Amino acid sequence: QVQLVESGGGVVQPGGSLRLSCAASGFTFSSYAMHWVRQAPGKGLEWVAFIRYDGNNKYYADSVKGRFTISRDNSKNTLYLQMNSLRAEDTALYYCAKDLYSSSCHGVDYWGQGTLVTVSS
Amino acid sequence: QSVLTQPPSASGTPGQRVTISCSGSSSNIGSNTVNWYQQLPGTAPKLLIYTNNQRPSGVPDRFSGSKSGTSASLAISGLQSEDEADYYCAAWDVSLNGWVFGGGTKLTVL
Repeated sequence: QVQLVESGGGVVQPGGSLRLSCAASGFTFSSYAMHWVRQAPGKGLEWVAFIRYDGNNKYYADSVKGRFTISRDNSKNTLYLQMNSLRAEDTALYYCAKDLYSSSCHGVDYWGQGTLVTVSS
Repeated sequence: QSVLTQPPSASGTPGQRVTISCSGSSSNIGSNTVNWYQQLPGTAPKLLIYTNNQRPSGVPDRFSGSKSGTSASLAISGLQSEDEADYYCAAWDVSLNGWVFGGGTKLTVL
Protein backbone atom coordinates (compact mmCIF):
# COMPACT_ATOMS: atom_id res chain seq x y z
CA GLN A 1 0.00 0.00 0.00
CA VAL A 2 1.05 3.60 -0.61
CA GLN A 3 2.98 5.11 2.29
CA LEU A 4 4.26 8.66 2.57
CA VAL A 5 6.24 9.52 5.70
CA GLU A 6 7.25 13.12 6.30
CA SER A 7 10.06 14.25 8.56
CA GLY A 8 12.11 17.35 9.29
CA GLY A 9 9.53 19.56 10.93
CA GLY A 10 10.21 21.49 14.10
CA VAL A 11 10.47 24.92 15.67
CA VAL A 12 12.49 27.55 13.81
CA GLN A 13 12.98 31.27 14.28
CA PRO A 14 11.66 33.78 11.74
CA GLY A 15 14.12 34.10 8.89
CA GLY A 16 15.42 30.61 9.48
CA SER A 17 15.52 27.55 7.24
CA LEU A 18 14.22 24.01 7.39
CA ARG A 19 14.32 21.04 5.03
CA LEU A 20 11.41 18.63 4.96
CA SER A 21 11.71 15.09 3.61
CA CYS A 22 9.11 12.58 2.52
CA ALA A 23 9.95 8.89 2.18
CA ALA A 24 7.68 7.16 -0.30
CA SER A 25 6.90 3.45 -0.64
CA GLY A 26 4.27 1.12 -2.01
CA PHE A 27 4.26 2.60 -5.53
CA THR A 28 6.69 3.46 -8.33
CA PHE A 29 7.80 6.84 -6.98
CA SER A 30 9.66 7.82 -10.17
CA SER A 31 6.44 7.53 -12.21
CA TYR A 32 4.31 10.05 -10.35
CA ALA A 33 4.22 13.78 -9.77
CA MET A 34 4.27 14.90 -6.15
CA HIS A 35 3.03 17.83 -4.06
CA TRP A 36 3.48 19.58 -0.76
CA VAL A 37 0.28 20.90 0.81
CA ARG A 38 0.05 22.67 4.16
CA GLN A 39 -2.61 23.38 6.74
CA ALA A 40 -2.24 26.13 9.33
CA PRO A 41 -3.72 25.32 12.76
CA GLY A 42 -7.51 25.43 12.54
CA LYS A 43 -7.42 26.54 8.89
CA GLY A 44 -8.06 25.02 5.49
CA LEU A 45 -5.76 23.31 3.02
CA GLU A 46 -3.23 25.37 1.06
CA TRP A 47 -1.27 23.95 -1.86
CA VAL A 48 2.45 24.77 -1.64
CA ALA A 49 4.35 23.16 -4.51
CA PHE A 50 4.26 20.59 -7.32
CA ILE A 51 7.00 18.62 -9.05
CA ARG A 52 6.74 16.46 -12.14
CA TYR A 53 7.74 12.80 -12.06
CA ASP A 54 11.20 13.53 -13.48
CA GLY A 55 11.76 16.77 -11.55
CA ASN A 56 11.77 18.87 -14.70
CA ASN A 57 8.64 20.96 -14.04
CA LYS A 58 8.01 22.69 -10.74
CA TYR A 59 5.26 25.06 -9.66
CA TYR A 60 4.84 27.07 -6.47
CA ALA A 61 2.14 28.98 -4.65
CA ASP A 62 2.74 32.74 -4.79
CA SER A 63 3.01 32.77 -0.99
CA VAL A 64 6.20 30.68 -1.06
CA LYS A 65 7.69 31.49 -4.47
CA GLY A 66 11.35 32.47 -4.18
CA ARG A 67 11.63 31.10 -0.63
CA PHE A 68 10.74 27.40 -0.96
CA THR A 69 12.24 24.81 -3.31
CA ILE A 70 10.71 21.44 -4.08
CA SER A 71 12.96 18.63 -5.29
CA ARG A 72 13.08 14.86 -5.50
CA ASP A 73 15.57 12.01 -5.57
CA ASN A 74 14.01 9.16 -7.50
CA SER A 75 16.91 6.87 -6.63
CA LYS A 76 16.01 7.28 -2.94
CA ASN A 77 12.20 7.47 -3.37
CA THR A 78 12.29 10.75 -1.48
CA LEU A 79 10.63 14.14 -1.91
CA TYR A 80 12.05 17.31 -0.34
CA LEU A 81 10.97 20.83 0.51
CA GLN A 82 13.70 23.34 1.27
CA MET A 83 12.18 26.25 3.16
CA ASN A 84 14.16 29.47 3.56
CA SER A 85 13.34 32.90 4.98
CA LEU A 86 10.59 31.39 7.08
CA ARG A 87 7.82 33.59 8.40
CA ALA A 88 5.28 33.19 11.19
CA GLU A 89 2.58 32.62 8.56
CA ASP A 90 4.42 29.51 7.35
CA THR A 91 3.49 27.78 10.59
CA ALA A 92 1.47 24.73 9.54
CA LEU A 93 1.24 20.98 9.21
CA TYR A 94 3.01 20.12 5.96
CA TYR A 95 1.67 17.17 3.98
CA CYS A 96 3.56 15.25 1.34
CA ALA A 97 1.12 14.04 -1.31
CA LYS A 98 1.14 11.87 -4.43
CA ASP A 99 -0.51 13.03 -7.67
CA LEU A 100 -2.86 10.86 -9.68
CA TYR A 101 -0.60 11.17 -12.73
CA SER A 102 2.98 11.72 -13.80
CA SER A 103 3.35 14.98 -15.69
CA SER A 104 0.57 17.49 -15.11
CA CYS A 105 -1.41 18.15 -11.96
CA HIS A 106 -4.56 16.08 -11.71
CA GLY A 107 -4.75 16.28 -7.98
CA VAL A 108 -3.67 14.25 -5.01
CA ASP A 109 -4.78 10.69 -4.37
CA TYR A 110 -2.64 9.84 -1.33
CA TRP A 111 -1.49 11.95 1.60
CA GLY A 112 1.10 11.48 4.33
CA GLN A 113 0.31 12.19 7.96
CA GLY A 114 2.14 15.51 7.94
CA THR A 115 5.05 17.13 9.76
CA LEU A 116 4.55 20.23 11.88
CA VAL A 117 6.54 23.38 11.21
CA THR A 118 6.37 26.15 13.79
CA VAL A 119 7.97 29.51 13.06
CA SER A 120 8.36 31.44 16.28
CA SER A 121 10.92 33.45 18.19
CA GLN B 1 -9.78 34.36 0.61
CA SER B 2 -9.84 31.09 -1.33
CA VAL B 3 -9.89 30.98 -5.12
CA LEU B 4 -12.68 28.39 -5.01
CA THR B 5 -15.76 29.30 -2.98
CA GLN B 6 -17.50 26.82 -0.71
CA PRO B 7 -20.14 27.40 1.97
CA PRO B 8 -18.40 27.31 5.38
CA SER B 9 -20.94 24.93 6.84
CA ALA B 10 -23.63 22.43 5.93
CA SER B 11 -25.81 20.11 7.96
CA GLY B 12 -28.31 17.31 7.68
CA THR B 13 -29.97 14.54 9.62
CA PRO B 14 -29.13 10.84 9.28
CA GLY B 15 -30.49 9.40 6.04
CA GLN B 16 -30.86 12.81 4.42
CA ARG B 17 -29.18 13.98 1.20
CA VAL B 18 -26.91 17.02 1.35
CA THR B 19 -25.01 18.86 -1.33
CA ILE B 20 -21.92 21.04 -1.04
CA SER B 21 -21.19 23.56 -3.77
CA CYS B 22 -17.86 24.78 -5.10
CA SER B 23 -17.75 27.87 -7.27
CA GLY B 24 -14.77 28.88 -9.38
CA SER B 25 -13.95 30.53 -12.68
CA SER B 26 -12.98 29.81 -16.26
CA SER B 27 -9.32 29.51 -15.27
CA ASN B 28 -9.88 26.66 -12.82
CA ILE B 29 -13.11 24.66 -12.69
CA GLY B 30 -14.12 25.93 -16.11
CA SER B 31 -11.04 24.42 -17.75
CA ASN B 32 -9.91 21.60 -15.47
CA THR B 33 -11.24 18.68 -13.49
CA VAL B 34 -12.35 18.90 -9.88
CA ASN B 35 -11.42 16.69 -6.95
CA TRP B 36 -13.13 16.45 -3.59
CA TYR B 37 -11.48 15.56 -0.28
CA GLN B 38 -12.84 14.51 3.08
CA GLN B 39 -10.91 15.38 6.24
CA LEU B 40 -12.08 13.72 9.43
CA PRO B 41 -11.06 15.47 12.67
CA GLY B 42 -7.37 15.04 13.43
CA THR B 43 -6.58 13.09 10.29
CA ALA B 44 -5.04 13.67 6.87
CA PRO B 45 -7.39 14.44 3.98
CA LYS B 46 -8.73 11.54 1.91
CA LEU B 47 -9.61 11.55 -1.79
CA LEU B 48 -13.36 11.25 -2.20
CA ILE B 49 -14.01 12.18 -5.85
CA TYR B 50 -11.56 12.74 -8.73
CA THR B 51 -12.00 13.94 -12.29
CA ASN B 52 -15.31 15.58 -11.38
CA ASN B 53 -17.33 12.44 -10.71
CA GLN B 54 -15.09 9.38 -10.28
CA ARG B 55 -14.95 7.50 -6.99
CA PRO B 56 -11.74 5.77 -5.89
CA SER B 57 -12.19 2.16 -4.86
CA GLY B 58 -13.46 1.93 -1.33
CA VAL B 59 -15.47 5.15 -1.40
CA PRO B 60 -19.18 4.37 -0.95
CA ASP B 61 -21.52 5.21 -3.83
CA ARG B 62 -23.40 7.48 -1.41
CA PHE B 63 -20.82 10.06 -2.46
CA SER B 64 -21.16 11.58 -5.92
CA GLY B 65 -19.68 14.56 -7.74
CA SER B 66 -20.77 16.70 -10.64
CA LYS B 67 -19.51 19.70 -12.57
CA SER B 68 -21.21 22.27 -14.75
CA GLY B 69 -19.42 25.24 -16.24
CA THR B 70 -17.45 26.95 -13.49
CA SER B 71 -19.14 25.19 -10.58
CA ALA B 72 -19.01 21.76 -9.02
CA SER B 73 -21.01 19.92 -6.39
CA LEU B 74 -20.53 17.07 -3.98
CA ALA B 75 -23.64 15.14 -2.99
CA ILE B 76 -23.87 12.81 -0.03
CA SER B 77 -26.96 10.62 0.18
CA GLY B 78 -28.05 8.47 3.09
CA LEU B 79 -26.14 10.74 5.48
CA GLN B 80 -24.39 8.92 8.33
CA SER B 81 -22.83 10.19 11.55
CA GLU B 82 -19.38 9.18 10.33
CA ASP B 83 -19.73 11.61 7.42
CA GLU B 84 -19.23 14.48 9.86
CA ALA B 85 -16.04 16.05 8.54
CA ASP B 86 -14.55 18.92 6.56
CA TYR B 87 -14.92 18.72 2.78
CA TYR B 88 -12.68 20.49 0.27
CA CYS B 89 -12.89 20.95 -3.49
CA ALA B 90 -9.74 21.49 -5.57
CA ALA B 91 -8.76 22.20 -9.16
CA TRP B 92 -5.75 23.32 -11.20
CA ASP B 93 -5.78 27.02 -12.07
CA VAL B 94 -4.20 27.83 -15.44
CA SER B 95 -3.85 31.55 -14.66
CA LEU B 96 -2.13 31.02 -11.31
CA ASN B 97 -0.26 27.94 -12.53
CA GLY B 98 -1.16 26.33 -9.28
CA TRP B 99 -3.54 23.95 -7.60
CA VAL B 100 -6.28 25.77 -5.69
CA PHE B 101 -8.57 24.64 -2.90
CA GLY B 102 -11.92 25.80 -1.66
CA GLY B 103 -12.04 27.14 1.86
CA GLY B 104 -13.66 23.95 3.11
CA THR B 105 -17.16 23.06 4.29
CA LYS B 106 -17.75 21.70 7.76
CA LEU B 107 -20.52 19.11 7.58
CA THR B 108 -22.50 18.48 10.75
CA VAL B 109 -24.79 15.48 11.11
CA LEU B 110 -27.56 16.54 13.44
